[in-house]
Amino acid sequence: GENVEQHPSTLSVQEGDSAVIKCTYSDSASNYFPWYKQELGKRPQLIIDIRSNVGEKKDQRIAVTLNKTAKHFSLHITETQPEDSAVYFCAASSSASKIIFGSGTRLSIRP
Amino acid sequence: DGGITQSPKYLFRKEGQNVTLSCEQNLNHDAMYWYRQDPGQGLRLIYYSQIVNDFQKGDIAEGYSVSREKKESFPLTVTSAQKNPTAFYLCASSATGHLNTEAFFGQGTRLTVV
Repeated sequence: GENVEQHPSTLSVQEGDSAVIKCTYSDSASNYFPWYKQELGKRPQLIIDIRSNVGEKKDQRIAVTLNKTAKHFSLHITETQPEDSAVYFCAASSSASKIIFGSGTRLSIRP
Repeated sequence: DGGITQSPKYLFRKEGQNVTLSCEQNLNHDAMYWYRQDPGQGLRLIYYSQIVNDFQKGDIAEGYSVSREKKESFPLTVTSAQKNPTAFYLCASSATGHLNTEAFFGQGTRLTVV
C-alpha cells in the first residue's frame, strides 16, 4: 500500500544553523505534499505545501523541494530559532484520496 | 468561530467497553479523517471519509468503527476488539475535489484504558 518514509526521527541543530528533513513516498499518483508542525501538546498545523507541478517553494525561512522522479521531497529550515523546536510531519496524497503521513521528526534547537 | 472540534479532550475507558470519540466541523469540508498518534510512530490512518454516507478503512482500522451520516460529523468508536486502544486520537478535515488541500486538525482526544 501507500507509504511515506521520513528521516531523521530526531534532529538537533545549533540555533542559527539549517535543518533538513527528508521524505520519500511510494504512490506515484501522489500530487500534493504538505508539511505539518506539531508543538508540544498542540494539534498539527500546516507550515508549507507543494504540488507535483512545482519543484520548489519558499516561504521566508522555510522551503520545500520535490523530486518526482526519485519520489523524494524535503523540508529546509534556515536560520533556525528556538521556536522552531517541534515535531515535523511530511505527508503525501493523490487527488480526492487519503492523506498518508510520515513518522515524524523531532527537531530540537540548541541555544 | 469556524473549525474542527473533538470531544472529550481526555477519556478513560474500562477494558471491554466500547467508547465513542466525537468530531465535528463547520468548515463545510467533504473529507474527514481519523488518525492515531503513538510516541515515535507518527500519524497512522484509521478511517477516512470523502463524502457523506461513505468511508474507507485506513492502515489500522481493526477494532475501530465509524459513521458519516452528516457532513459535519465523523464519530469514531473504539471497540473492545482493539487490543491496545490507549493513544492520542486526532480528527482532521479537508476540502476535496480535483486538488487536495490543507487538512485542519482537531485538538485531539487522549484515550486511556484503565
